[in-house]
Amino acid sequence: KQEVTQIPAALSVPEGENLVLNCSFTDSAIYNLQWFRQDPGKGLTSLLLIQSSQREQTSGRLNASLDKSSGRSTLYIAASQPGDSATYLCAVNDYKLSFGAGTTVTVRA
Amino acid sequence: SQTIHQWPATLVQPVGSPLSLECTVEGTSNPNLYWYRQAAGRGLQLLFYSVGIGQISSEVPQNLSASRPQDRQFILSSKKLLLSDSGFYLCAWSDPSSEAYNEQFFGPGTRLTVL
Repeated sequence: KQEVTQIPAALSVPEGENLVLNCSFTDSAIYNLQWFRQDPGKGLTSLLLIQSSQREQTSGRLNASLDKSSGRSTLYIAASQPGDSATYLCAVNDYKLSFGAGTTVTVRA
Repeated sequence: SQTIHQWPATLVQPVGSPLSLECTVEGTSNPNLYWYRQAAGRGLQLLFYSVGIGQISSEVPQNLSASRPQDRQFILSSKKLLLSDSGFYLCAWSDPSSEAYNEQFFGPGTRLTVL
């Protein structure tokens, strides 16, 4: 059974600081990995998808890396802004999505 | 572009009452459809998924059921709600023909409170 862990569970940083969010998974036989953002009381917004053959994927200030052999992915958010405050979830896709519990980020103005 | 709708947005129901949550997808054909539940302090749990009309797979045995009467419509139901059914219910879709295998897109969710 795939197990997904996200560390830290919560993170508070001043505006402008770079964010580093970690995701680890136990079974490396995956198709891809998705990073999502969830605002309080809202649905999930897909941020990035990394295919198992890729090492990283970038979108604007977001960069996600994947090391499948070690079962790790990292989401980097550059120059954080208060609008980046949300919970970030990673989901590992073998035949279905297995989610981590998320990292709740607070960016202080 | 594709959009996914869920309703109602919030629902408060007494224990033992029936439930019907609806999800519809626009702008795509033959999507795979999913129901998830997000309970307080817990991660997302896959409840049901469907690869076509009338085709439902259950991931977790419980007093909920799902149906897919039309290609882009997915319904979550219960005959008698339990307190433990409270949570945030999310519908998602994926394109089975996409190169990004099982990349999923989520709806806005339904907050269910059972009293």
